[in-house]
Amino acid sequence: EPEVTQTPSHQVTQMGQEVILRCVPISNHLYFYWYRQILGQKVEFLVSFYNNEISEKSEIFDDQFSVERPDGSNFTLKIRSTKLEDSAMYFCASSGRLTSGADTQYFGPGTRLTVL
Amino acid sequence: GQNIDQPTEMTATEGAIVQINCTYQTSGFNGLFWYQQHAGEAPTFLSYNVLDGLEEKGRFSSFLSRSKGYSYLLLKELQMKDSASYLCAVVNQAGTALIFGKGTTLSVSS
Repeated sequence: EPEVTQTPSHQVTQMGQEVILRCVPISNHLYFYWYRQILGQKVEFLVSFYNNEISEKSEIFDDQFSVERPDGSNFTLKIRSTKLEDSAMYFCASSGRLTSGADTQYFGPGTRLTVL
Repeated sequence: GQNIDQPTEMTATEGAIVQINCTYQTSGFNGLFWYQQHAGEAPTFLSYNVLDGLEEKGRFSSFLSRSKGYSYLLLKELQMKDSASYLCAVVNQAGTALIFGKGTTLSVSS
């Protein structure tokens, strides 16, 4: 069964450093998403991406964040200058074509980011 | 604004039935998902409702009333492996984002 994959599974970085989190969405999916979950808190939407551009972004997704689809398979989230409060689990998700309503978003296993 | 409410914790015993409620007030609505999340793992899809009524899938059923801003997830014949968090998530009007509740942690005991 196709699945979303993410690398690395765990990333430790120093405050102020740049990190890139990588995702390979399900191959025939067209919509890509990033969410984050701070330990013990709810899953929060960051950004959605379709047709090589951002469809929607939340207030969390400020100028420190960017997304890219550098090739036909990868989808990346870059945090330019990490802060302590960026420590969280970051989930990538993908979904197929929108029909009436919404298509199911399938989540990857996550990257645990720890900022020291 | 967006507000999605679920109970924080529930407990039940093996073989029982449990109903997890979710109420929402959101600026747009394009369906409601239920996901299961085991500790330290990714959310996994359980069900999707966009029209009023009950959707049944094996031991799991989900109900939606759009006029009441209300959904529930019904789990039957509970098993120990059902111990997890259950996340209610509303799809925004454009279908471009999921807005999650805080989740309900279900503990199943023998």
